[in-house]
Amino acid sequence: NAGVMQNPRHLVRRRGQEARLRCSPMKGHSHVYWYRQLPEEGLKFMVYLQKENIIDESGMPKERFSAEFPKEGPSILRIQQVVRGDSAAYFCASSPPDRGRFTEAFFGQGTRLTVV
Amino acid sequence: QQQVKQSPQSLIVQKGGISIINCAYENTAFDYFPWYQQFPGKGPALLIAIRPDVSEKKEGRFTISFNKSAKQFSLHIMDSQPGDSATYFCAATRGFQKLVFGTGTRLLVSP
Repeated sequence: NAGVMQNPRHLVRRRGQEARLRCSPMKGHSHVYWYRQLPEEGLKFMVYLQKENIIDESGMPKERFSAEFPKEGPSILRIQQVVRGDSAAYFCASSPPDRGRFTEAFFGQGTRLTVV
Repeated sequence: QQQVKQSPQSLIVQKGGISIINCAYENTAFDYFPWYQQFPGKGPALLIAIRPDVSEKKEGRFTISFNKSAKQFSLHIMDSQPGDSATYFCAATRGFQKLVFGTGTRLLVSP
């Protein structure tokens, strides 16, 4: 059972371009979370999705950022018109359906975005 | 109120020593407190976790101590080994959804 797969592992974009980050959850997992980690900082929650639904996007910047988790295919985090401040490591985590208790969220290895 | 404060920022411990990392929270609605270990270039991995109705949980060399009244919890790594050198994050969650992470502690265990 493969773990959470993120691609690309490294992404370089020029200011103003679009960045598209992909996350394939573990098999059987229907919940996906995106976190951002700035250098020397902890992870900050961005968005929580279930299949075809955004459950909580309270950590998403209001502009330029969007996320989706379609019925088929990976979850996508899209950053439009990237700026240097978007340079960070973006982690995706997935967890199985709720069973009334905390279920471990498994993290991918992250996508390191560099904006030049 | 959503913050989790973590200290120290970095820690150097000799092999065989005890590593202690502390965290504090404000939101009493948090109901689960995991610790994550992260190696360079990797994603965080769950190490050990505790619920607020338990004061201590031990798994191998790793122990969480939880003080509900003080709203503090800590990670103790006994007999620290060079392979334990990593960044450790405490976290908190409410309702089994998003995690609120501390700022991390970079642990170096010297041989």
